[in-house]
Amino acid sequence: DTGVSQDPRHKITKRGQNVTFRCDPISEHNRLYWYRQTLGQGPEFLTYFQNEAQLEKSRLLSDRFSAERPKGSFSTLEIQRTEQGDSAMYLCASSLNPYTEAFFGQGTRLTVV
Amino acid sequence: KQEVTQIPAALSVPEGENLVLNCSFTDSAIYNLQWFRQDPGKGLTSLLLIQSSQREQTSGRLNASLDKSSGRSTLYIAASQPGDSATYLCTNQETSGSRLTFGEGTQLTVNP
Repeated sequence: DTGVSQDPRHKITKRGQNVTFRCDPISEHNRLYWYRQTLGQGPEFLTYFQNEAQLEKSRLLSDRFSAERPKGSFSTLEIQRTEQGDSAMYLCASSLNPYTEAFFGQGTRLTVV
Repeated sequence: KQEVTQIPAALSVPEGENLVLNCSFTDSAIYNLQWFRQDPGKGLTSLLLIQSSQREQTSGRLNASLDKSSGRSTLYIAASQPGDSATYLCTNQETSGSRLTFGEGTQLTVNP
């Protein structure tokens, strides 16, 4: 197992387009998190899943954002009608259960032009 | 709402110096506290995890301590090296078992 994998690593899109990111957690990790990070700031919580159930969404996650984790394995984060303010690093993390060590992927850097 | 603060925001030291990074949090009802390092443009690398029942954890030149009652954790780096230059982030898992709450990080520069 090579850790948490995120795809793509970089994405440049035009304002108004839709984008989708994928996260493959470590095998058998039932907790999965999405975070967003802008330059010079700490990661901001977006949402998390326990298996396939999405248990919490941040107020930062407007109705343009949607996340899924079908079958409790990989997860996708979709942003519709992208805005320049969506430009950030999107980070995914997984852990075996809610109380154990969390492991992060390398992130997807989104640039909206 | 849990708030995590890291002091200092930036630190520059000469190689070989021992240093301490600080993390404070407002709600002591946590299950664990985790320290990460982040290199520019990269994801987060886990350094140490301290369970709420523990006082400290050590890994090589790193030692992290936790004082739940005062809402504080410290990360001690011994004999710093230029390769330690990175941003160090602390986060904790609340007892509700929900989100991880991060601080803003401490940007460390170790000069050769």
